[in-house]
Amino acid sequence: GDSVTQTEGLVTLTEGLPVMLNCTYQTIYSNPFLFWYVQHLNESPRLLLKSFTDNKRTEHQGFHATLHKSSSSFHLQKSSAQLSDSALYYCASTGGYKVVFGSGTRLLVSP
Amino acid sequence: EAAVTQSPRSKVAVTGGKVTLSCHQTNNHDYMYWYRQDTGHGLRLIHYSYVADSTEKGDIPDGYKASRPSQENFSLILELASLSQTAVYFCASSDPYEQYFGPGTRLTVL
Repeated sequence: GDSVTQTEGLVTLTEGLPVMLNCTYQTIYSNPFLFWYVQHLNESPRLLLKSFTDNKRTEHQGFHATLHKSSSSFHLQKSSAQLSDSALYYCASTGGYKVVFGSGTRLLVSP
Repeated sequence: EAAVTQSPRSKVAVTGGKVTLSCHQTNNHDYMYWYRQDTGHGLRLIHYSYVADSTEKGDIPDGYKASRPSQENFSLILELASLSQTAVYFCASSDPYEQYFGPGTRLTVL
């Protein structure tokens, strides 16, 4: 079945350094939607980014990601980490009504 | 005006007891979902529904039942709660692609 892989369970960074969280996926759908959700401590997940279009950069709140169907990847990036970016990040994919989530990457940004 | 609400927000249950978690959405979405969240496992799908009076099994349905009496309401039922069901439970609705999550219910089974 479909799956989403996030290889890093924990990423620790110093404020100001670039962020890159990895996401690869496997799907039976030829045109999947890919998402990044962010969950801050004691909150529920909320959508950060979504994409449907191959090789098109999507940006929101300083984060960006590009869906690459050739490599089945949708990595999340930011040029400069902020303390407030500390959170749990989920990559997810769907071709229909059932969304498949990755196991999540916890990002910790320190001063 | 939160679009997805859950009740209760936290609950302590005894092993073997019955637990019902409720979810209500005002998004007018057809699709609703129940997930559980455990450290190290991320979000795992328990049950989902795409129409009232119908539910489908997700990836980890054992020990859980679901009920969708109307488009707005979706319940998760633990008939015989067990220690392993201690977790945070999230309800979500979707359009059908983007998920809108409720605030979560923290369930502790003792």
